[in-house]
Amino acid sequence: AIRMTQSPSSFSASTGDRVTITCRASQGISSYLAWYQQKPGKAPKLLIYAASTLQSGVPSRFSGSGSGTDFTLTISCLQSEDFATYFCQQYYDYPRTFGQGTKVEIK
Amino acid sequence: EVQLLESGGGLVEPGGSLRLSCAASGFTFSSYAMSWVRQAPGKGLEWVSSISGSGGTTYFADSVKGRFTISRDNSKNTLYLQMNSPRAEDTAVYYCAKPLVSTVTPKDYFDYWGQGTLVTVSS
Repeated sequence: AIRMTQSPSSFSASTGDRVTITCRASQGISSYLAWYQQKPGKAPKLLIYAASTLQSGVPSRFSGSGSGTDFTLTISCLQSEDFATYFCQQYYDYPRTFGQGTKVEIK
Repeated sequence: EVQLLESGGGLVEPGGSLRLSCAASGFTFSSYAMSWVRQAPGKGLEWVSSISGSGGTTYFADSVKGRFTISRDNSKNTLYLQMNSPRAEDTAVYYCAKPLVSTVTPKDYFDYWGQGTLVTVSS
């Protein structure tokens, strides 16, 4: 199975900060990568697919980049509603696999 | 409006069985592969299983292969997950999820998720 490793696992940031989360695949997955945001008690929300395509309705402060094995999710100007846990997911091969999550907390 | 409504969760004994359902509406159900994704309490997301739109092709995580089956009834717009011989480690919220696009080759990234149904495996 393709292992997805996110870093960091958690960090604290302030509103207005630019933040970057990384996701590394254990083997090349081309651009078959999605990012999700999840808030406590809620289902995940799709933010980005195909590594860099913004899902409809998602604010433009979210962006994704990368291909192959290394990917990043960037939030250009952190808003209060962005404090949440973020997951990457590969859909290059079965079994589909998720990263372990990155929790963004308020500093 | 797309809606996914899971049901069937609850307490089940190890070695028992349980069937989860997911009633779908607001889209052409038979045109989309569908999936189950679970989340153990306080843990991350784990893909469990996917099924093609016709139901003819299925995929499973190694952790559930041979114990869980996935099926669908396109006439009822309903997805199922049959959980046989569940273990304590299967305790989780189970989500059904719809992919963004309908493609011949499944592209399992999910734009709609149900609210989840909690399965607790315990004696």
